Amino acid sequence: GENVEQHPSTLSVQEGDSAVIKCTYSDSASNYFPWYKQELGKRPQLIIDIRSNVGEKKDQRIAVTLNKTAKHFSLHITETQPEDSAVYFCAAEGGNKLTFGGGTRVLVKP
Amino acid sequence: GAVVSQHPSWVICKSGTSVKIECRSLDFQATTMFWYRQFPKQSLMLMATSNEGSKATYEQGVEKDKFLINHASLTLSTLTVTSAHPEDSSFYICSAGRQGYNSPLHFGNGTRLTVT
Repeated sequence: GENVEQHPSTLSVQEGDSAVIKCTYSDSASNYFPWYKQELGKRPQLIIDIRSNVGEKKDQRIAVTLNKTAKHFSLHITETQPEDSAVYFCAAEGGNKLTFGGGTRVLVKP
Repeated sequence: GAVVSQHPSWVICKSGTSVKIECRSLDFQATTMFWYRQFPKQSLMLMATSNEGSKATYEQGVEKDKFLINHASLTLSTLTVTSAHPEDSSFYICSAGRQGYNSPLHFGNGTRLTVT
């Protein structure tokens, strides 16, 4: 089955700086890679996604890159704000099943 | 956007009792629903995949006789935790996807189960 590794597990950044989270996946057949933001006690919220036929996607301060050959994808948050503090999960979908990474707890210090 | 409603949002039950959690897709037909479990400070772990009108597919290590899943209609799936024990205390989240659409999953709000 699919295995998704996510790093780092915690990330502390100063407000205004950038944050980068990296994930690797094992199943080359996986073709859809969403990123979710989860606040304490709440459901995951989709923040951006990318499909395997695209190498990069950007939405305002958030961008995701995908390297299919290396089987890794990354989330980039620029100009971080305190409200960006949350747990972020990457995921990979293959065979109609979504496998999550271990999560990254992001803390943006004002 | 697509909405998935999950109830209850939290439940406290005594050890040995059963708890049913409902997940409804409100504005689309969900042929497939997924049930996840999330322990504190951990990731979401897929428990099972339920398809409307057929038996659920359970992930390795998940007891199908303990976690009963029913997906009787295109808009409703239920998870029943039978004979709950304190170690079953967790955050249970359902999600649904549209048929034939390699799309983001839409998550319910989750159910926090505490077994005393």
